[in-house]
Amino acid sequence: DARVTQTPRDKVTEMGQEVTMRCQPILGHNTVFWYRQTMMQGLELLAYFRNRAPLDDSGMPKDRFSAEMPDATLATLKIQPSEPRDSAVYFCASGTRWGETQYFGPGTRLLVL
Amino acid sequence: GENVEQHPSTLSVQEGDSAVIKCTYSDSASNYFPWYKQELGKGPQLIIDIRSNVGEKKDQRIAVTLNKTAKHFSLHITETQPEDSAVYFCAASPGSGNTGKLIFGQGTTLQVKP
Repeated sequence: DARVTQTPRDKVTEMGQEVTMRCQPILGHNTVFWYRQTMMQGLELLAYFRNRAPLDDSGMPKDRFSAEMPDATLATLKIQPSEPRDSAVYFCASGTRWGETQYFGPGTRLLVL
Repeated sequence: GENVEQHPSTLSVQEGDSAVIKCTYSDSASNYFPWYKQELGKGPQLIIDIRSNVGEKKDQRIAVTLNKTAKHFSLHITETQPEDSAVYFCAASPGSGNTGKLIFGQGTTLQVKP
């Protein structure tokens, strides 16, 4: 049963610290999405990649957030420095080139104190 | 750009009743409309989807209808059960390019009371 995996599942950190979240997309999927979910904003698209190249990161605060795909099996989302307003659940999803179905991971719950 | 509106934001029904969630979209070129279910502490999971060349699709107790002229689509759950309680999201795929990008509605919290 192929699934998207995310680590860590939970992260508590202090303001100003660097946070790195990792995602392993489903094998064979070449499109990867990062979302942020909060009660107030719902599901926000932060960035997405196709064939490891960034297609759109306009939803991401550029001064502190960065997203990369070092290889086809790993996507990372970094926040440096972190702030309390970054507290949210961050989801990774993957999909295939010719379909629009996205498969979500379990999420990383981030709390910045 | 594409905008998706979802209503209602909360919905409470008695077990066995039907539940209907409605979404409207703005981009007439949108051609793919999935519905996701999110249970507490989990990521959204696809439950049903429909493409713009189809007006209705059914899978057991779940059905989705699409009205392209009016630019709205709906999720229908019949014979609701307590395990249907979750947050439901609709989404639309903007028609320009085939990027796989989805625009999500704000979500509907469905509570099914035993």
